[in-house]
Amino acid sequence: GESVGLHLPTLSVQEGDNSIINCAYSNSASDYFIWYKQESGKGPQFIIDIRSNMDKRQGQRVTVLLNKTVKHLSLQIAATQPGDSAVYFCAELQYGQNFVFGPGTRLSVLP
Amino acid sequence: DSGVTQTPKHLITATGQRVTLRCSPRSGDLSVYWYQQSLDQGLQFLIQYYNGEERAKGNILERFSAQQFPDLHSELNLSSLELGDSALYFCASSVQGTGGGNHYGYTFGSGTRLTVV
Repeated sequence: GESVGLHLPTLSVQEGDNSIINCAYSNSASDYFIWYKQESGKGPQFIIDIRSNMDKRQGQRVTVLLNKTVKHLSLQIAATQPGDSAVYFCAELQYGQNFVFGPGTRLSVLP
Repeated sequence: DSGVTQTPKHLITATGQRVTLRCSPRSGDLSVYWYQQSLDQGLQFLIQYYNGEERAKGNILERFSAQQFPDLHSELNLSSLELGDSALYFCASSVQGTGGGNHYGYTFGSGTRLTVV
């Protein structure tokens, strides 16, 4: 499928290495955050979420870290695989109403 | 399959024309959201409907309109199309106004790729 976001920031990692994707969010009152993965030609898919009363949450090979002091969110992917190549978006729930999405980061996994 | 169905998958049309994009939300979801994704931009929120009523509006052009029907499917109408309207259009759904299912987020469809020539 056709790629989206050709001008997105890109992170290139070697297969097997760990990846860290960062996101700055805008609203200090936001209390719920989600990371989405978007593969080429597909819609965004939920990866992991975290509430503001937590600073870390782990899933299968993924960990989300939340630093409310500096309004920063990160997604760590362990042992990155070729199938992890995609665009990753963070989303924050603002005012308990709607999600606002970050600009996205393209992850490229090198063989 | 996410459970959110969008049709058509691809659409090619000429400038000045009008098109309708369709979205069927996941079963049980009451909210539908429309997003536009252009090559050099992220996901731009257009509009949200909840149980047939407009709930929130984003950066939606006056040439664009949407509605949600009693069976909860939604249509996005794009008129007087311009070259710059070429983009991926995504529909997402959630149970309540802000989320539902296994997580409190949105479930996205696969999108409609609109090309205006």
